[in-house]
Amino acid sequence: AQKVTQAQTEISVVEKEDVTLDCVYETRDTTYYLFWYKQPPSGELVFLIRRNSFDEQNEISGRYSWNFQKSTSSFNFTITASQVVDSAVYFCALSEDTGGFKTIFGAGTRLFVKA
Amino acid sequence: EPEVTQTPSHQVTQMGQEVILRCVPISNHLYFYWYRQILGQKVEFLVSFYNNEISEKSEIFDDQFSVERPDGSNFTLKIRSTKLEDSAMYFCASKFQGLGDADTQYFGPGTRLTVL
Repeated sequence: AQKVTQAQTEISVVEKEDVTLDCVYETRDTTYYLFWYKQPPSGELVFLIRRNSFDEQNEISGRYSWNFQKSTSSFNFTITASQVVDSAVYFCALSEDTGGFKTIFGAGTRLFVKA
Repeated sequence: EPEVTQTPSHQVTQMGQEVILRCVPISNHLYFYWYRQILGQKVEFLVSFYNNEISEKSEIFDDQFSVERPDGSNFTLKIRSTKLEDSAMYFCASKFQGLGDADTQYFGPGTRLTVL
């Protein structure tokens, strides 16, 4: 069965600090997709990144970077030089390449960035 | 850029009333979804819909819930007799294609349902 675990419920950092949000997943499929979404206080889900199971290459996008390691079933997200605008809830999610391709979300990590 | 839209943005209803939440998916998408997020909790899958029928549903999606694609553009979620615990944000999502290529699901902005 699919499962996504985000062990960090809340993280608080001071502006300009780097922060890493952890995500561990479980799946029986060999083909699957991993996502990160940001949910600001306004409530919408903002898509950040998608990774498929065959592509373990890490990715960097500006201050954001993602580390995908199949050996440990982890897909961690790092924000470099955090800013107050990064304050939000971040969800890691998993979608398997079967059935209706539903997305299973982790419980989310609430990030507070203080000025 | 195409986007998923949802109406209304906020719906307040009395317990026991029926509500219909509306979504307009991205026009060339083939898979449609509803998710629910109770305040402060994680986003939970409700149902997926493909080729005019439900392809998968969760335990949450009981007989009180139904989905419909009444025309070529709208995708609706109906709750027949709302309960207090149905109060949540409901997200619609759509995706272009399925087999072998689970493209990103694009989420709408959500409808906040408040049941009094």
